[in-house]
Amino acid sequence: QKEVEQNSGPLSVPEGAIASLNCTYSDRGSQSFFWYRQYSGKSPELIMSIYSNGDKEDGRFTAQLNKASQYVSLLIRDSQPSDSATYLCAVGLFPGSSNTGKLIFGQGTTLQVKP
Amino acid sequence: DVKVTQSSRYLVKRTGEKVFLECVQDMDHENMFWYRQDPGLGLRLIYFSYDVKMKEKGDIPEGYSVSREKKERFSLILESASTNQTSMYLCASSSLGAGRDEKLFFGSGTQLSVL
Repeated sequence: QKEVEQNSGPLSVPEGAIASLNCTYSDRGSQSFFWYRQYSGKSPELIMSIYSNGDKEDGRFTAQLNKASQYVSLLIRDSQPSDSATYLCAVGLFPGSSNTGKLIFGQGTTLQVKP
Repeated sequence: DVKVTQSSRYLVKRTGEKVFLECVQDMDHENMFWYRQDPGLGLRLIYFSYDVKMKEKGDIPEGYSVSREKKERFSLILESASTNQTSMYLCASSSLGAGRDEKLFFGSGTQLSVL
């Protein structure tokens, strides 16, 4: 079982719709959760981070975390063609009391927003 | 702005060659990481370092080694390049935030082809 799993897609939504991206993780000790966006040919860039159960909103983006079910999701409201990219879920692992953690990435979900 | 610089954007090497990939960051970050990215597999952690001369194995360290002699520089070494090491290599750095905010800043990547 992969540590962080995402549906690779592509997920296709019409412009203006809500895009819903999902991610599950296997390690219950995971403490931090991130969504990165990666445009084709570019490096990933952080768009959202979440640490506590519930929702976190930032503009058109909402991250949702449910530690009991071990899933994290990203909602993109009013999707735009410029949102078309691969979205990478990342989970932070900090063994014991160490601050020297690492991020484990899922394989990414490709989102296509059609005009 | 944080800058993470990778020495080469494209690199072509022969099987059996020793390959050095260099990464330099200019924000005095403690943590540095090397990932490789392959279609359908996402980003996989090769090695990371949380301090000068310190290194930790990631998920796929076989066939690789690293060097961190100075805080700003983290080198990935392919001791004897093989065709299955053809990939996009991404370097990243981060600082230890109060909330363990492991935001990664990525370099632009090195596309390595081993023939």
